[in-house]
Amino acid sequence: AQSVAQPEDQVNVAEGNPLTVKCTYSVSGNPYLFWYVQYPNRGLQFLLKYITGDNLVKGSYGFEAEFNKSQTSFHLKKPSALVSDSALYFCAVYNFNKFYFGSGTKLNVKP
Amino acid sequence: DSGVTQTPKHLITATGQRVTLRCSPRSGDLSVYWYQQSLDQGLQFLIQYYNGEERAKGNILERFSAQQFPDLHSELNLSSLELGDSALYFCASSVIPSEGRGETQYFGPGTRLLVL
Repeated sequence: AQSVAQPEDQVNVAEGNPLTVKCTYSVSGNPYLFWYVQYPNRGLQFLLKYITGDNLVKGSYGFEAEFNKSQTSFHLKKPSALVSDSALYFCAVYNFNKFYFGSGTKLNVKP
Repeated sequence: DSGVTQTPKHLITATGQRVTLRCSPRSGDLSVYWYQQSLDQGLQFLIQYYNGEERAKGNILERFSAQQFPDLHSELNLSSLELGDSALYFCASSVIPSEGRGETQYFGPGTRLLVL
């Protein structure tokens, strides 16, 4: 069965500090991996995706993610968090014509 | 603004009723996806259409159905509504189907359904 896990319901970080939002996946074959962000009362917005190639993927708003095949992880990172980054973040896997989303991680960035 | 529009924004109805949610994809996008987001189940993929044809099915109940019209807008029909159907329903679109390529999806703002 295909699945995506975001082990942390919430991540708290101080503004200016680096942030990491974790994602691990379990799929057969080679997955395509995505990160989306959801602001309150808004739809999901695409941040970045990994299809193939470099394991470090750069995306919107200064975010990047590292694909680690051996650990089946795709953690989202940002070197310096902003208060405006506070939102709900979803990791997703595309496999066999379907998207599978993680349960979401709420990121709180405090001034 | 993603370019994907959904109507209505909010919908309040009673158990046993039927509702229709509407989605207009981004200009040029041929593929439409429907998702349900609820507190207890998270974000669940329901169904995907491409150029009017059903392309993939997820966790969609038999009481739910969808279609994509020639002008590429899509409707999600929910019938015999239950309290547990209360959720946020998202539509997303992409240029082509994601098969084999993981096309980026662009999400609409959602329709919030409350079943009383």
